[in-house]
Amino acid sequence: GDSVTQMEGPVTLSEEAFLTINCTYTATGYPSLFWYVQYPGEGLQLLLKATKADDKGSNKGFEATYRKETTSFHLEKGSVQVSDSAVYFCALSEGFQKLVFGTGTRLLVSP
Amino acid sequence: DTGVSQNPRHKITKRGQNVTFRCDPISEHNRLYWYRQTLGQGPEFLTYFQNEAQLEKSRLLSDRFSAERPKGSFSTLEIQRTEQGDSAMYLCASSPQSGQGTDTQYFGPGTRLTVL
Repeated sequence: GDSVTQMEGPVTLSEEAFLTINCTYTATGYPSLFWYVQYPGEGLQLLLKATKADDKGSNKGFEATYRKETTSFHLEKGSVQVSDSAVYFCALSEGFQKLVFGTGTRLLVSP
Repeated sequence: DTGVSQNPRHKITKRGQNVTFRCDPISEHNRLYWYRQTLGQGPEFLTYFQNEAQLEKSRLLSDRFSAERPKGSFSTLEIQRTEQGDSAMYLCASSPQSGQGTDTQYFGPGTRLTVL
């Protein structure tokens, strides 16, 4: 079945550092890819998405590019802030069906 | 747009008791999903409704679990004879059937269940 693998955390960075969180996927078809974020004490929020190969999703300074050849959707941000501390989930869906999530990566940003 | 709401936010129960959770999706969202998230893991799909029809159920959804969506609006998830392994966060999400964002699910805050 479909699956998502993301790098284990926690990822610990200083403010203004560059962030990469790796995500790879396995799917039988052509899924849409998503990054969701869960801030402490809050629900899951959609951060960005991409629906086809070579699409780039972006939001709040975060970016991710749908790479079909490497089945990857790595999340990047050029300069993280303390307020970016959260758990980040990579996910895929095929059609309008269920989302398949990775295990999540906790990001801790210190001042 | 008030977002997806879930009630209660927290539920503590004793093993063997029945519990019921409610989810109110974003208005006019035809699709509704239930997920379960345990500590340190990503959400796992449980079931999916399009309007009032339950179209898919995960094998995680044992016969102690039942979900309904009467009239295609709010949904309930009931767990009978709860077990300690049922302790988790239960998440509800909804998405529109037409227009922009049909492939995007919007999540509620979740109901945290603790089974003692």
